[in-house]
Amino acid sequence: GNSVTQMEGPVTLSEEAFLTINCTYTATGYPSLFWYVQYPGEGLQLLLKATKADDKGSNKGFEATYRKETTSFHLEKGSVQVSDSAVYFCALIRPSGSARQLTFGSGTQLTVLP
Amino acid sequence: DGGITQSPKYLFRKEGQNVTLSCEQNLNHDAMYWYRQDPGQGLRLIYYSQIVNDFQKGDIAEGYSVSREKKESFPLTVTSAQKNPTAFYLCASSKASGGLGLDLYNEQFFGPGTRLTVL
Repeated sequence: GNSVTQMEGPVTLSEEAFLTINCTYTATGYPSLFWYVQYPGEGLQLLLKATKADDKGSNKGFEATYRKETTSFHLEKGSVQVSDSAVYFCALIRPSGSARQLTFGSGTQLTVLP
Repeated sequence: DGGITQSPKYLFRKEGQNVTLSCEQNLNHDAMYWYRQDPGQGLRLIYYSQIVNDFQKGDIAEGYSVSREKKESFPLTVTSAQKNPTAFYLCASSKASGGLGLDLYNEQFFGPGTRLTVL
């Protein structure tokens, strides 16, 4: 089956530190990959996506590269801010009959300290 | 402003009671989804609907029911048959999802969620 594995949190960093959140996946075929962010008490927002191998998704200083050879989609940011504190979810799209459904990882809690 | 609204934000239920969670969208999206989120876990799909008057079970549909009588509304009922209903429930919507053979993904937009607690 299809699955997503994320590094376990929580992750605590100081402001301006470098961030990496690891994500690996198992899937049949060629999935599209996503990072979603959930701020406290809110729903999820799409942060970035990549639809084919070697694509790099980027948004708000975050980046992730679709690595088919290692089945990975690690999230990185060069200098985190306090406002980046949130839960980050890696996800993939899987075909299911006539619909395309998201499979999520367990989420990684990030706390950035001033 | 277009978006998805869920109500109520917090909901308390006694054991043995059914309860209905509201989800409304004014984005003119065809597809709508219900997810359940538990601490330390990702989102799990309960039900989804691609068009009015049609819906399909997701990965954890047991103990839940839905209806899709209007395009903009997709209410979720948590029945007394759901053994562990305390969770955070998220509704989402998207343009019509692509079919097999189409390299198409339409972004899912999420509502703010409803936190259900069984007393």
